Amino acid sequence: GIQVEQSPPDLILQEGANSTLRCNFSDSVNNLQWFHQNPWGQLINLFYIPSGTKQNGRLSATTVATERYSLLYISSSQTTDSGVYFCAVVARSNYQLIWGAGTKLIIKP
Amino acid sequence: GAGVSQTPSNKVTEKGKYVELRCDPISGHTALYWYRQSLGQGPEFLIYFQGTGAADDSGLPNDRFFAVRPEGSVSTLKIQRTERGDSAVYLCASSSPGREQFFGPGTRLTVL
Repeated sequence: GIQVEQSPPDLILQEGANSTLRCNFSDSVNNLQWFHQNPWGQLINLFYIPSGTKQNGRLSATTVATERYSLLYISSSQTTDSGVYFCAVVARSNYQLIWGAGTKLIIKP
Repeated sequence: GAGVSQTPSNKVTEKGKYVELRCDPISGHTALYWYRQSLGQGPEFLIYFQGTGAADDSGLPNDRFFAVRPEGSVSTLKIQRTERGDSAVYLCASSSPGREQFFGPGTRLTVL
């Protein structure tokens, strides 16, 4: 089945810094989503981005479907950005989300 | 309307007991999914409903797990003869078919 790899696994930054999170996937996808799981466990939808580029405030994402990767950019980090960021994809033959292992982000004040 | 809701938020049970977990999807979403998340890992797929029928139950770990969605809206995940290894957060999501999935807050199940 399709494999999803996220990097880096852990990231510690000072408040105000910028960061780039990467998601590689091993096959063509119908759907790609980025989530932020906050310290209380809630999964928050960030982007639905099977291809192209989207921006929402300090966050933006780019998916290059032909090269099978997606990037999540966080600018001017705040302590509330801390948590785990997940990339998840839906393979073309399926409906379920296949998840990466996540990037654990810690923003220090 | 409101987002996906799940009840209870926490459930503590004893080994061997039966539990039911409920999911109320976003109004109008015909697709409903159950996932399970263990500590420190990403969620894992359990079952997918399109309308009232289970279109894909390939993720259910064994026959102790069963889910229903009798009227195409609310779904119940049922676990018989619970084991300590069933302890996890059970997540429900809903979507329009093939579109963005939205998740509920989860039910944290602890089997003692």
